[in-house]
Amino acid sequence: DVKVTQSSRYLVKRTGEKVFLECVQDMDHENMFWYRQDPGLGLRLIYFSYDVKMKEKGDIPEGYSVSREKKERFSLILESASTNQTSMYLCASVTGGSGNTIYFGEGSWLTVV
Amino acid sequence: QKEVEQNSGPLSVPEGAIASLNCTYSDRGSQSFFWYRQYSGKSPELIMFIYSNGDKEDGRFTAQLNKASQYVSLLIRDSQPSDSATYLCAVKTSVIQGAQKLVFGQGTRLTINP
Repeated sequence: DVKVTQSSRYLVKRTGEKVFLECVQDMDHENMFWYRQDPGLGLRLIYFSYDVKMKEKGDIPEGYSVSREKKERFSLILESASTNQTSMYLCASVTGGSGNTIYFGEGSWLTVV
Repeated sequence: QKEVEQNSGPLSVPEGAIASLNCTYSDRGSQSFFWYRQYSGKSPELIMFIYSNGDKEDGRFTAQLNKASQYVSLLIRDSQPSDSATYLCAVKTSVIQGAQKLVFGQGTRLTINP
């Protein structure tokens, strides 16, 4: 049973294109996260959101924006894709309060050429 | 200073030995600490989490937390070749208005040699 869905698994985009990565969770979680993962660098936090329309910058927000219009959906936007944004992007969600069960999507592999 | 730091390895351990993985964190307000295992091309999978000082054991795995030293470790006993993976330490912290921030270390690549 899939709980966090990243609809785009593999994408190839051209430099300068606008890219949308979507993440949907069906567990009514307040907190959602976007990470990128590159070899040797672990998961680096791009943005996170703790409620509808609420967002906070993570460690590497430059070149990215996010949207959370509905509780279940958290979108990552690359306004003008660049080759250094080629990476694997991972979405996660967790309930609020003391909840400690974190659910991950399967990842979106983005190549910018 | 990075919020969560791990030795990136690679760490090589003989089969049957104990593998020891370490993680330090900078935010003293951090509340919950997680160890994830990640195989190449896959999403991370939870091994265990810990939020109280001391040890927490689950099968061959033991997590240790020392909040005074801001240190978390994972011990894997009787290491198996299937334990070969990248191990990620993650720290959850409450920020403004109850928001949860979840930060990962860079991961330690572990190889178990038969």
